[in-house]
Amino acid sequence: QQQVKQSPQSLIVQKGGISIINCAYENTAFDYFPWYQQFPGKGPALLIAIRPDVSEKKEGRFTISFNKSAKQFSLHIMDSQPGDSATYFCAACLGFGMTGTASKLTFGTGTRLQVTL
Amino acid sequence: NAGVTQTPKFQVLKTGQSMTLQCAQDMNHEYMSWYRQDPGMGLRLIHYSVGAGITDQGEVPNGYNVSRSTTEDFPLRLLSAAPSQTSVYFCASSYSGHPGLAGSSDTQYFGPGTRLTVL
Repeated sequence: QQQVKQSPQSLIVQKGGISIINCAYENTAFDYFPWYQQFPGKGPALLIAIRPDVSEKKEGRFTISFNKSAKQFSLHIMDSQPGDSATYFCAACLGFGMTGTASKLTFGTGTRLQVTL
Repeated sequence: NAGVTQTPKFQVLKTGQSMTLQCAQDMNHEYMSWYRQDPGMGLRLIHYSVGAGITDQGEVPNGYNVSRSTTEDFPLRLLSAAPSQTSVYFCASSYSGHPGLAGSSDTQYFGPGTRLTVL
């Protein structure tokens, strides 16, 4: 059972364009939604994250839009650059912030982004 | 700081063999975890630890064992390797156990991964 569905599987965007990756979740108990960036041969790295009581969060060229009623969230990369070419994973957390334990992350299946010149 | 280190980088096993994947961090993080990454499935949590002597199961714990005798080390043991365990394994550590909870610097650091093939 895939609790976090991510699309598209791959994406090609021209330099300067906007990259948009979408995720949908089923479990309304999820309480935190991070995005990770992974370059080939490397481990994932936390990119940006949002709490469900916020509809949008922006950090530099990266923006998360969150729609709680639709159970969807998306990552927008503005002014996409060749250096943004990587695989992006959305994730959803259970138990975020609970003391004495760690967040349980459920990952999406990943989107391979290629930014062309 | 070396960050999170994993050894070996590559490993080939035969079905039924056992082995230990090593993970170490030098950031004094209490929280460590193991994930496996399979094509088309994202990352899945195997086991995690909230401190020395404390471990718990994740989403896919069967066939794996962990222990946490020190803050620095969190080895993952494959008891009897099966072809279904062919995957890339990532170890991660973090300050709070909740990525970003204590601020933007409270991130989850991943190791470079171990690519395991079970024949």
